[in-house]
Amino acid sequence: AQSVTQLGSHVSVSEGALVLLRCNYSSSVPPYLFWYVQYPNQGLQLLLKYTSAATLVKGINGFEAEFKKSETSFHLTKPSAHMSDAAEYFCAVSDPNAGKSTFGDGTTLTVKP
Amino acid sequence: DTEVTQTPKHLVMGMTNKKSLKCEQHMGHRAMYWYKQKAKKPPELMFVYSYEKLSINESVPSRFSPECPNSSLLNLHLHALQPEDSALYLCASSQAWESGNTIYFGEGSWLTVV
Repeated sequence: AQSVTQLGSHVSVSEGALVLLRCNYSSSVPPYLFWYVQYPNQGLQLLLKYTSAATLVKGINGFEAEFKKSETSFHLTKPSAHMSDAAEYFCAVSDPNAGKSTFGDGTTLTVKP
Repeated sequence: DTEVTQTPKHLVMGMTNKKSLKCEQHMGHRAMYWYKQKAKKPPELMFVYSYEKLSINESVPSRFSPECPNSSLLNLHLHALQPEDSALYLCASSQAWESGNTIYFGEGSWLTVV
């Protein structure tokens, strides 16, 4: 069975500050991991994904995430927050052999001016 | 702009109505999905079609009936819904029903059952 836990349902940062959104996973096999973003009144958009290549993954809009097997983590970071980054962020895990993704509960990112 | 198009964007229906949600993609993807999303919650998988065949039905009530007329189209037929079915319904597609493939989501259809 696979699961994902996003630590912190709400994160608030100032514009220009570091963004750190936490995601820990549980999987019986080496997983595939994803971060999605959902802006208000829109569908989900893939930010980045890890599929067993490089452990540091760069995504769109300046985001990146590092896969750490020893910590079972896949935290999302961005060096400098922008107002347009305010959104809901979902971490997801999937078993390479199963196809189905399991989503975390999401983290709401607020960016203060 | 998303490459998965959903119509209508908003739908209000009574509990005795019959309506349909429609989804279209022209990326040549062979897997298509329906998700249900409540406010401030993650999307919940409802159905997966792979090569136009229903592959996954996550124990969804029969008042929701999916249909895949061809590889580009996916419908969700709604009948005798309950107020608790009010939610955002997201259609998505991917190259194939395989783990690791990027899932592309539409903007969703907001459904209100009155």
